[in-house]
Amino acid sequence: NAGVTQTPKFQVLKTGQSMTLQCAQDMNHEYMSWYRQDPGMGLRLIHYSVGAGITDQGEVPNGYNVSRSTTEDFPLRLLSAAPSQTSVYFCASSYSEGYSSGNTIYFGEGSWLTVV
Amino acid sequence: AQTVTQSQPEMSVQEAETVTLSCTYDTSESDYYLFWYKQPPSRQMILVIRQEAYKQQNATENRFSVNFQKAAKSFSLKISDSQLGDAAMYFCAYRSGHTGKLIFGQGTTLQVKP
Repeated sequence: NAGVTQTPKFQVLKTGQSMTLQCAQDMNHEYMSWYRQDPGMGLRLIHYSVGAGITDQGEVPNGYNVSRSTTEDFPLRLLSAAPSQTSVYFCASSYSEGYSSGNTIYFGEGSWLTVV
Repeated sequence: AQTVTQSQPEMSVQEAETVTLSCTYDTSESDYYLFWYKQPPSRQMILVIRQEAYKQQNATENRFSVNFQKAAKSFSLKISDSQLGDAAMYFCAYRSGHTGKLIFGQGTTLQVKP
C-alpha cells in the first residue's frame, strides 16, 4: 500500500475540535474515497471522488467534509468532532476508467482517531 | 442504493477443512464488480478474489473460489484446505460500474482451529 499515504496515523481529539485527515496518492488515480471502520459495521463509505473538483456523498457523510482540488490529495475534514466519530479511517484510490474491469483498489494503512 | 450483507458475523473452521462465507447484495445496476477482501489484525486490506458481473464463470484463486449466483444476488467465498494464516476478517464488496463507488458488507471473522 505504499502508493496511498494517510496522515496522521493516530490522533486524539477533544469533543468540538476540528481536524483534517490527509490522504495522498502518487499513482494518478482519479478515484479516491474515505471509509470508517467500526466494530461489527464493516467499512462504511463516507465520501468519494471521481476526479479533481468532483465529490459525492457515501453512506455516512454527516459530520465530514471533503474537497478534491488536486488529483493527488483527498483530505477529510471533521468540523466539530464528536465521540461517535471515534473510529479507524481508511482512504482508498484507484483508476476510474473501466470500473467493471475491476481495477486494483489501493488502501492506506488507516488512521486511528479517538474523540474524548 | 446498493447494499451488501454478510449475515455471518463469525465463522470457525478446522485446519485443512473447507469453509464457505456468505454474501448477498442488492443492486439495480447491470454493470458491477464483486470482491472479497481479507483484513488481518494489522488492518491491511488484502484482495482475495474478484468477479466481473458479466462473467458467468466463477472466479478462482488457488484455494479460494466463489459461487456467484447473479439472479439470486449471492456471492459466497469458499476457502479450501484452510490454513492458520487464513484467520482474519473477510469483507465482501460491491463496486458500481457506473459511479465507481465501492461499498462493503459488515464483515465475517474467520477463526481457524489447529
